[in-house]
Amino acid sequence: AQTVTQSQPEMSVQEAETVTLSCTYDTSESDYYLFWYKQPPSRQMILVIRQEAYKQQNATENRFSVNFQKAAKSFSLKISDSQLGDAAMYFCAYRSASYEKLTFGTGTRLTIIP
Amino acid sequence: DVKVTQSSRYLVKRTGEKVFLECVQDMDHENMFWYRQDPGLGLRLIYFSYDVKMKEKGDIPEGYSVSREKKERFSLILESASTNQTSMYLCASIVSPGTRDTDTQYFGPGTRLTVL
Repeated sequence: AQTVTQSQPEMSVQEAETVTLSCTYDTSESDYYLFWYKQPPSRQMILVIRQEAYKQQNATENRFSVNFQKAAKSFSLKISDSQLGDAAMYFCAYRSASYEKLTFGTGTRLTIIP
Repeated sequence: DVKVTQSSRYLVKRTGEKVFLECVQDMDHENMFWYRQDPGLGLRLIYFSYDVKMKEKGDIPEGYSVSREKKERFSLILESASTNQTSMYLCASIVSPGTRDTDTQYFGPGTRLTVL
C-alpha cells in the first residue's frame, strides 16, 4: 500500500522569505500523480500544484514550485516570497494512475511571521 | 468554477442518532469521495463512488454507509453515531477524464460533526 509522509508537523517563515515543505512517499508503481493541497483556517481545501510522475520537469505555479525526485520518492513544495495569505495547513497527496483514490500525508501547518 | 457544497458546516448529534451528511457538485463529475480529517492523521478515505448507485469502500468504512441515487449528490450516513466519529468530514469530486484538470479532486467546505 502507498504511504505519504510529511515529517514537519509545523513550520514558520518570515513574510517575503522562502520556505520548503517536505514530503516523501512509498510506492511500487511507476505511473502516478502527486499533489499539494492547501487548507486555510476555516476555509476550503484547494489544489496548489500537481505533478505527473512521468514528467521530469518540476511543476511550477507562480510562487509555488516543487522539487520532484522520483528515485528518492521525494516531493517537496517551495513557496517563494511568502505572503500572509499562505498561512494554512498543507497536505501532500499521492494518486495511482490506475486508481482514483488519494492517499494523504498528515499535513504541515505553515505560519507566516509578519 | 467547480462547486462542491456540503449541507452543513457544523453539526451536533447525540450518540446513537442516525446522521446524514450531504454533498452536491454542480459539474457533472462521475467520481465523488468522502474523507474524514483528524489532527495528526491527515485525511482518510471512507467511501467513494464512481457512478450512480456504485460505491467502493475506502480505508475506514466501518460505521459508515453511503448513498448515490443521483450523479450530483453523494450522501454519507452514520447509522448509529458514536463519539469516536466526532471529526471533520470532507467531500470531494473529480473532474471527468479528458479535461485539463483531470485527476484533480475538488473539495467541499467540510462538515464539523460533534457526537455527544
